[in-house]
Amino acid sequence: DTGVSQDPRHKITKRGQNVTFRCDPISEHNRLYWYRQTLGQGPEFLTYFQNEAQLEKSRLLSDRFSAERPKGSFSTLEIQRTEQGDSAMYLCANSLLGAGTEAFFGQGTRLTVV
Amino acid sequence: AQSVAQPEDQVNVAEGNPLTVKCTYSVSGNPYLFWYVQYPNRGLQFLLKYITGDNLVKGSYGFEAEFNKSQTSFHLKKPSALVSDSALYFCAVRDGRDSNYQLIWGAGTKLIIKP
Repeated sequence: DTGVSQDPRHKITKRGQNVTFRCDPISEHNRLYWYRQTLGQGPEFLTYFQNEAQLEKSRLLSDRFSAERPKGSFSTLEIQRTEQGDSAMYLCANSLLGAGTEAFFGQGTRLTVV
Repeated sequence: AQSVAQPEDQVNVAEGNPLTVKCTYSVSGNPYLFWYVQYPNRGLQFLLKYITGDNLVKGSYGFEAEFNKSQTSFHLKKPSALVSDSALYFCAVRDGRDSNYQLIWGAGTKLIIKP
């Protein structure tokens, strides 16, 4: 158990609906990442927070995606007007500051858009 | 440009034999290297990392990895494979500047251990 919790584990939604995922990280870890992963592929970077500040958002990410981390604690990832291409595993990870620190991942939320 | 290559999509090994999963990298500064394992429908689990010091690093579940600066490689190894080692393995690298938070990921290698 890495201590990073994601909710829900699975989500099935109809195309066009909005969905929101939650990540509860390890409390003292300043860095928080969201990744997307499709079957058999490596994690694709979506966005990064350092404490409550969103420092980077992938240029590949459409405006339908938004993330927040209020007060530097839990984080949410919202996808508006979902499309079938959004179907994937969404992973949250966090770590301490420092280039040599490893990231700890949650179990992920698997999104299926029908 | 920073990059990670895992040249093998899949590696097949008989149980009890040694295994190697290959990783090569390219970064501008000093590399900080990581290996992760992923079981089906699960998140990634940290196995081991190289920051500095001894080129051979040991990690979880009997895995180790050897850092080779001249070959820019960080291959994952295990002396005797178990069927339970079957999973997807990812190599990642970070440029060794403290302000750098980005992890660059390889595409992954599927490891299949046959009984």
